[in-house]
Amino acid sequence: EVKLVESGGDSVQPGGSLRLSCGASGFSLTFYAVTWVRQAPGKGLEWVSHISTSSDTIYYADSVRGRFTISRDTAKNSVYLDMSNLRAEDSAVYFCARTTPNLDHWGQGTRVTVSS
Amino acid sequence: EIVLTQSPATLSLSPGQRATLSCRASQSVGSYLAWFQQKPGQAPRLLIYDASNRATGIPARFSGSGSGTDFTLTISSLEPEDSAVYYCQQRSTFWTFGQGTKVEIK
Repeated sequence: EVKLVESGGDSVQPGGSLRLSCGASGFSLTFYAVTWVRQAPGKGLEWVSHISTSSDTIYYADSVRGRFTISRDTAKNSVYLDMSNLRAEDSAVYFCARTTPNLDHWGQGTRVTVSS
Repeated sequence: EIVLTQSPATLSLSPGQRATLSCRASQSVGSYLAWFQQKPGQAPRLLIYDASNRATGIPARFSGSGSGTDFTLTISSLEPEDSAVYYCQQRSTFWTFGQGTKVEIK
């Protein structure tokens, strides 16, 4: 069964940092691009970042560029989203999605809350 | 940035009725348009990709059409389990999502 699992979400103060992880089972993440999408409470979906299979193509939404960094570790079959200088408006459930280039499988999400 | 506008915001229909959801792009996205279904507390599920292709395991009552700037998701005969929010998404230039259409089953 194809499965993605996000972890690392937490409650942090404004200006803080977090690392989100996206792991996979049932397939090798090595062969797929990955896209992070977030959803603020009661709101719609917002694309955050994307990384290609070889990490040579990386994109960020304007709202997070310069504060978030996406990376991948082939050996650990994982993709990461390092988030720094977090703001209240970054509070959301963060999903990772296998990208084929369609977002064909999603994890259940990990919640990030930024509040003082 | 390509903006996707979905209509209507809410659709309230009875089981067995036909649902027609619209998605309009601010500029052409070719056929690079997908539709997702999201139920409360769940991740989005891919229904349709490249405008008209059903994803694996998606029932035949779901169909997509359109190209360029105007797209439609049709649910031919609503089932109670189709109650959800439906999002369109383009991948022509980066990725953007519409604001969603909530489908309620009476």
